[in-house]
Amino acid sequence: DAGITQSPRHKVTETGTPVTLRCHQTENHRYMYWYRQDPGHGLRLIHYSYGVKDTDKGEVSDGYSVSRSKTEDFLLTLESATSSQTSVYFCAITREVMNTEAFFGQGTRLTVV
Amino acid sequence: GDSVTQMEGPVTLSEEAFLTINCTYTATGYPSLFWYVQYPGEGLQLLLKATKADDKGSNKGFEATYRKETTSFHLEKGSVQVSDSAVYFCALSVSPNAGGTSYGKLTFGQGTILTVHP
Repeated sequence: DAGITQSPRHKVTETGTPVTLRCHQTENHRYMYWYRQDPGHGLRLIHYSYGVKDTDKGEVSDGYSVSRSKTEDFLLTLESATSSQTSVYFCAITREVMNTEAFFGQGTRLTVV
Repeated sequence: GDSVTQMEGPVTLSEEAFLTINCTYTATGYPSLFWYVQYPGEGLQLLLKATKADDKGSNKGFEATYRKETTSFHLEKGSVQVSDSAVYFCALSVSPNAGGTSYGKLTFGQGTILTVHP
C-alpha cells in the first residue's frame, strides 16, 4: 500500500460542467501521475508532476489541467467536461524514477452525461 | 514515438493450462519493461519488470524475458489458477539516454483480459 487515496471514487456530471479529481498521498513522493483507462487503449498518461508546482503534459492532455500546490495533493481538473472524458481515472506515484515501479490508486469512475 | 502492442484478447483457459501473452514494443531510447495486473475493481499493481536486455523478470510463477533483438517481453506462466483471472498490461518506460530519466512515465499496451475456469 503506497498510501494513495483518490476522491471521489465515482462521479456523474453533466456536459459542460467543471470537475476536479483529487489524488492524495501520504508518503511525500516527488513524482505523481494521472492516467485514464479506456477499453482498447490501456492506460494513457494525461499529466504528471515532478515536484510542487512542477507539472508537464502527457499523451492525452487536451481538455485537462492539473495543479500541485503541496507535495501530497495532485489535482486533475476538467474545465468543461465532455462525453469523451467519460473514463476511469487513475492516480499513480513512483518512489524513484529510475526503472522503478509505479503505485496506483483505486481509480475514479467518471461519467459525463 | 514509443508504443506497446499486446496480443488480442480476451484469453480463456482452463486451470493448470499454460499461459502466454505476447507483448512487443517500439522505443526511441533506453526502455525498461513491465507487466502490471489489474484485479476487478482495483488499481494496477506491478507483476514483474526487466530493466535491460536479456533480463528475466519473475513473480508468482509468471516470467517474462526482455528480448531486445525481437523487441518483445512476452508473459508466461506454466500452470494458471482461477485466481490469476485479471487484466494484464504490458508497459514500458523510456529513458532518453543511458543513465537518463524517463520521469517514471509509462506507456501501456491495450490490456489482455484473462479468464481461468476451474
